[in-house]
Amino acid sequence: DAGVIQSPRHEVTEMGQEVTLRCKPISGHNSLFWYRQTMMRGLELLIYFNNNVPIDDSGMPEDRFSAKMPNASFSTLKIQPSEPRDSAVYFCASSSRQGGTYTEAFFGQGTRLTVV
Amino acid sequence: GDSVTQMEGPVTLSEEAFLTINCTYTATGYPSLFWYVQYPGEGLQLLLKATKADDKGSNKGFEATYRKETTSFHLEKGSVQVSDSAVYFCALNPSGSRLTFGEGTQLTVNP
Repeated sequence: DAGVIQSPRHEVTEMGQEVTLRCKPISGHNSLFWYRQTMMRGLELLIYFNNNVPIDDSGMPEDRFSAKMPNASFSTLKIQPSEPRDSAVYFCASSSRQGGTYTEAFFGQGTRLTVV
Repeated sequence: GDSVTQMEGPVTLSEEAFLTINCTYTATGYPSLFWYVQYPGEGLQLLLKATKADDKGSNKGFEATYRKETTSFHLEKGSVQVSDSAVYFCALNPSGSRLTFGEGTQLTVNP
């Protein structure tokens, strides 16, 4: 298996622009997580999905952030408009949830976002 | 609520030194416990796990034992290498819910 695939690996954009981050989870996994990592705040869970349905988006910092999972093999995290304080590494992870129990999560390599 | 507390870093050791990174947790139910490692420029990778009390997880020379009586899951390695330099995260998933991570501990091993 290729693992969790994220794109792009690096993104540099100007303040005010829309940014879309993409994630392909491991085939057969039915849970998907978006994390943000910064030096100041560490690793933060933004949102997660079970069976393509958003379960908890309480970690999404504000309305500028939105996430979708239109099918089991694809998810996006969108920031519109972007701001310099959104600069961070964004990770996608997937796991399998069966019978109410999650297996360990597998992480992608991350997207390093820089907003100038 | 459920939480994980890791020893504060950074930790700096010489090659072949003994490593301990402390991790304690607070959780309802019976969580599984994990250690993840993040090498520079990469995502987190599962290092080892334990699913019930007294289980010992091990991988690449690292070990951690699930201690319910002390609510701990300390990471140990007998002889670290330069290549072990990374950030280490302790995590739990209480009663099968989603993962909760600790703050991470930066380890630097000098030759």
